[in-house]
Amino acid sequence: RKEVEQDPGPFNVPEGATVAFNCTYSNSASQSFFWYRQDCRKEPKLLMSVYSSGNEDGRFTAQLNRASQYISLLIRDSKLSDSATYLCVVKAGGSYIPTFGRGTSLIVHP
Amino acid sequence: DADVTQTPRNRITKTGKRIMLECSQTKGHDRMYWYRQDPGLGLQLIYYSFDVKDINKGEISDGYSVSRQAQAKFSLSLESAIPNQTALYFCATSVDGTQPQHFGDGTRLSIL
Repeated sequence: RKEVEQDPGPFNVPEGATVAFNCTYSNSASQSFFWYRQDCRKEPKLLMSVYSSGNEDGRFTAQLNRASQYISLLIRDSKLSDSATYLCVVKAGGSYIPTFGRGTSLIVHP
Repeated sequence: DADVTQTPRNRITKTGKRIMLECSQTKGHDRMYWYRQDPGLGLQLIYYSFDVKDINKGEISDGYSVSRQAQAKFSLSLESAIPNQTALYFCATSVDGTQPQHFGDGTRLSIL
C-alpha cells in the first residue's frame, strides 16, 4: 500500500458544482497535513493546512479523520479557475520527510 | 522577489554533459529539498538536507549529487546527463518537519 493515496481523477464538474477529494495515508504517526494546488507545469502552491477540528477558507473546506486515516478537501461553487491538480501532503514531523500524493486532477467546465 | 529561486528556469543540453541546477532561498529555512516531476508520476524526492552539514538521499538519487553551500543555497548536479533525466525539477524549503514546504518556480530540463 502506498503511503499516501489519491484518486487521480480527472474529476470533471460544471461551474458552480461542489466537489470533494479524499486522500488516505498509512502512517498513523502523521502529524501535519496539507493540500497543495498545482497548475500544469507550475510549482505546487500551498492551498491550506488541515487542522484536527477541520478548517475552512472561503469556498474550500479541509477535514481530517484520524481514525480512518484520511483527509478531505471540499470545494463549493466551483470556478473555472479551480481547474488544477490538487496534491495532499502528509508529514510525520521530526526527521521524517513529507510524503506527497500523486494528485487529483480537477477540470471545471462552463 | 521570489522567496525560493531556481536557476536556470529552462535548460536544453546534450547527453553526457554535466549540469548544475541552483536553488537559493531568503526564507531562512534550514530544510531544503530537490524533487523531479514527470507527467503522471507525481513528485519524486531526489535529495534533501536538514542543515548545512546534512545531506540525505531520497528515493531516486542515482545519477544525481547535491551540495549545500550555505543555509540559503542547495545545488543539484547531474554528472553525466542522460535523456531519461528530462523532467521538471523543483527545489523546496521548510522550516521544520511539521510546517509546509515552499517551492521554487521549477527548472525545465531537456536532455537530447
